[in-house]
Amino acid sequence: AQSVTQLDSQVPVFEEAPVELRCNYSSSVSVYLFWYVQYPNQGLQLLLKYLSGSTLVKSINGFEAEFNKSQTSFHLRKPSVHISDTAEYFCAVSETGTGNQFYFGTGTSLTVIP
Amino acid sequence: DAGITQSPRHKVTETGTPVTLRCHQTENHRYMYWYRQDPGHGLRLIHYSYGVKDTDKGEVSDGYSVSRSKTEDFLLTLESATSSQTSVYFCAISDARAYGYTFGSGTRLTVV
Repeated sequence: AQSVTQLDSQVPVFEEAPVELRCNYSSSVSVYLFWYVQYPNQGLQLLLKYLSGSTLVKSINGFEAEFNKSQTSFHLRKPSVHISDTAEYFCAVSETGTGNQFYFGTGTSLTVIP
Repeated sequence: DAGITQSPRHKVTETGTPVTLRCHQTENHRYMYWYRQDPGHGLRLIHYSYGVKDTDKGEVSDGYSVSRSKTEDFLLTLESATSSQTSVYFCAISDARAYGYTFGSGTRLTVV
């Protein structure tokens, strides 16, 4: 079974500073990769995804993530964070032959400090 | 989220009582899932369904059962609630891997 590791459980960062949230997965077989965001007391929302093609994918609110096959990583970055980015971020992986099952990391809590 | 509804949103129940949580979708998606979210554990899959009356266990299925008699409804039952089942429960739906999941707003369950 797939294993997804988010190395940082909490990341505090000052407003307008850059941030990187790390995600590594265990399997090198064909995968789809996702980042979800969870705001307080809400469900998870899809932030961005990688399916194929360009290894750099972007969201509409300034986040981007890069698929690195050799390092089995899918790190999330933003060059300048805002207070409104404070949330929990989850990395998820889906691999072929898993019956549409996704595997989630344990989450990274991003706190943006004014 | 639009197209997926969980009920109830909050519930407090006593140890030993049965509890049923409901997930309802209007998207006609084939796949439905129940997860629990706990601090330090992220999301853990309880059960999932890949069609009407077709279900399978996830990694933390002990003490839980599910049923799906219609495409739109997926029920999660705690047969005899325990304090360790205090958690936030999320339902998710999916039509294909490439589209990811759509999550419900969650049910906060407290077992006292």
